[in-house]
Parts: sequence; C-alpha cells; structure tokens
Amino acid sequence: NAGVTQTPKFRVLKTGQSMTLLCAQDMNHEYMYWYRQDPGMGLRLIHYSVGEGTTAKGEVPDGYNVSRLKKQNFLLGLESAAPSQTSVYFCASSYHPGGAGTGELFFGEGSRLTVL
Amino acid sequence: DQQVKQNSPSLSVQEGRISILNCDYTNSMFDYFLWYKKYPAEGPTFLISISSIKDKNEDGRFTVFLNKSAKHLSLHIVPSQPGDSAVYFCAASGGSSYKLIFGSGTRLLVRP
Repeated sequence: NAGVTQTPKFRVLKTGQSMTLLCAQDMNHEYMYWYRQDPGMGLRLIHYSVGEGTTAKGEVPDGYNVSRLKKQNFLLGLESAAPSQTSVYFCASSYHPGGAGTGELFFGEGSRLTVL
Repeated sequence: DQQVKQNSPSLSVQEGRISILNCDYTNSMFDYFLWYKKYPAEGPTFLISISSIKDKNEDGRFTVFLNKSAKHLSLHIVPSQPGDSAVYFCAASGGSSYKLIFGSGTRLLVRP
C-alpha cells in the first residue's frame, strides 16, 4: 500500500519555466491538498480539492494552478516559475475534510523544487 | 496574520525528561486541533488530536492539553526519547472550513 506518492522528488527549474507536480493516492480519499513548506513559515496551504473535478484556493494560491481530473490524482502546476516558488511541496489526502474526525491527513514524502 | 503560532523554534531536553511544546491560536472558530511530527526528508505524520469539547487527550507518552479561554494548546511527551527528535507542527481547523492551518513548527532535540 503506497499511500500518497509524489513525483518528481527533486527538480531544478529556471525562472519562467513551467512544470507539473503529480500526487497520487490509493486510499480512495475524497479530499486532497497541496502545501508548501518554507523555513520559519510552517506548512501553508496552496490549493485543495474536496472531490473529483473540484478545486479551491488555499492561503497562498498565486502562481499555481491545480487539477483533479481523477479522484486519485491531484496535479499542481507552475506556469512560469519564480525564485519565490523555491520550496518543498507536500501533497496530502484525507477521508474527512480538513483532517477533522479521525484527524488524519496523510502526507507524501515531499518534492523539493529549486527555481534559479 | 498567522492564525496558529508556535513561538519556540527549537527545544532541547534530556532523555527521560518531559518535553512541552506550545501552540497559540487566534481564530475562535477553530474547534479541532492536531499535532504532526516530521522527520527530515519525510512527510509529516499525524501524532495526536483534540476536539474543543475536551481539555485533555492522552495517547501513550503523548498528551495534548487545550485551554480554550487562553486559545492555547500544548503537547507533553513523557518520558522523552531520542527517537522523538523531530519537528512538531501544531495545526487547527474549524467552522465550515476544509482547511487545516499549520503553525511554523518546533524542532525538538532529545539528548541521550
């Protein structure tokens, strides 16, 4: 049972390039999230999805787009990468919204992105 | 404006002693609180949670206390073990929001 899988694990981009991070979960969870982790800032929510075909903005959505075409996949796109988007990105999924109820958000191992 | 604050970036304790990690929040709509633990190069993992209808929840060596009037919660680890060395994140959710809001984390070092 893989849980939440993120690809790629590492990526270096030049300013202005585009890329997509893929998140896949095999737990049949309805809710999926993309967070970014920066030193001293904790985990900040970028976008989230409450079901297939739906997405919504989180705390720091600017510069990112997302899609949830299949229930098990949640894609995070950067159309024109900027150095400020250098970060570690975490995908998560949950059975309950916002981690309530069981309290469990299941996280992937993270994707480290560097924008030069 | 940070809605969930962990004011201590780091904490160092001796093995066998108590570790106390603190968290403050500002949003009175928060009604569910969680602690996550994160090792380097891994994703955060759920540790323990507490609902606003309770003031204490225990799970083995881990206890979370909630003081709603002070908008403060704390995580107690007794006894602390070297394997507990990690970054601990406090998180909160509530109202009709699907969002889980995290604090900035506290790095715990348990010295053998």
